[in-house]
Amino acid sequence: EPEVTQTPSHQVTQMGQEVILRCVPISNHLYFYWYRQILGQKVEFLVSFYNNEISEKSEIFDDQFSVERPDGSNFTLKIRSTKLEDSAMYFCASSVSPGQGFFSPLHFGNGTRLTVT
Amino acid sequence: GQQVMQIPQYQHVQEGEDFTTYCNSSTTLSNIQWYKQRPGGHPVFLIQLVKSGEVKKQKRLTFQFGEAKKNSSLHITATQTTDVGTYFCAGPGGATNKLIFGTGTLLAVQP
Repeated sequence: EPEVTQTPSHQVTQMGQEVILRCVPISNHLYFYWYRQILGQKVEFLVSFYNNEISEKSEIFDDQFSVERPDGSNFTLKIRSTKLEDSAMYFCASSVSPGQGFFSPLHFGNGTRLTVT
Repeated sequence: GQQVMQIPQYQHVQEGEDFTTYCNSSTTLSNIQWYKQRPGGHPVFLIQLVKSGEVKKQKRLTFQFGEAKKNSSLHITATQTTDVGTYFCAGPGGATNKLIFGTGTLLAVQP
C-alpha cells in the first residue's frame, strides 16, 4: 500500500538554526498538509497546500514557517530561526482531495521528531 | 475558532471491558472522521461518518454521528491490548481545506 514518507525521523537543532523537514506524499494525492503534535497533546493543523500554493494556514504558521513543493514528489516544511517551543513531532499528510462535505481521509507519514536545544 | 473536544482525556480499562470516547464540536460538522494513534506512531484513519444519526461498525468498534452533527462517539466492545492508543475525532474546519483534530482520548488496556 502506498504511504507517505518523511525524513529525517529525528532532527536535533540549536535554537536559532533553520531546519527543513521533508515529505514525499502519496503519488496520486493532490492535497498536502503539515500538522504538529507536542508530546502528549493533540494534533494541530499548520498548513494545507494545493496546486503549488498554500490554501490555508493556522495562526501557528507565521513568517517563521514556509512550505514548498520543489519538484513533483517532495513537499518540505522550513522553519527559520527555530525556538525551543518548536520542539514537537511534525507530521506530513496527504489526501486525494478535501472536497466540501466529503473530506478524503488523511494519510500520515511517520513524522519527524524535532528537538530544539 | 472552531473547537473539537473529547472526553475523557484518559481511560484505563481491564481487558474485556468496554470503552467509549465522546467527541463534541463547537460547530456543526459536514462529516466526521476518527483516527487511532498507537504510542509512538502516527494517526491512522479508521472511519468517516457523513449522515446525521449515522452508525457504523467495524468489528468491535461502533461509531455514531449525532443527529445535530455536532457530536460523535466511538465505542469499543470487549477491549483488547491491541486497542491501546489515542483515539482522535476530526472534522472539517468550516468551508476550508483543513481537518481539525479533537483533543483525543488515550486508552490504556490492562491485560
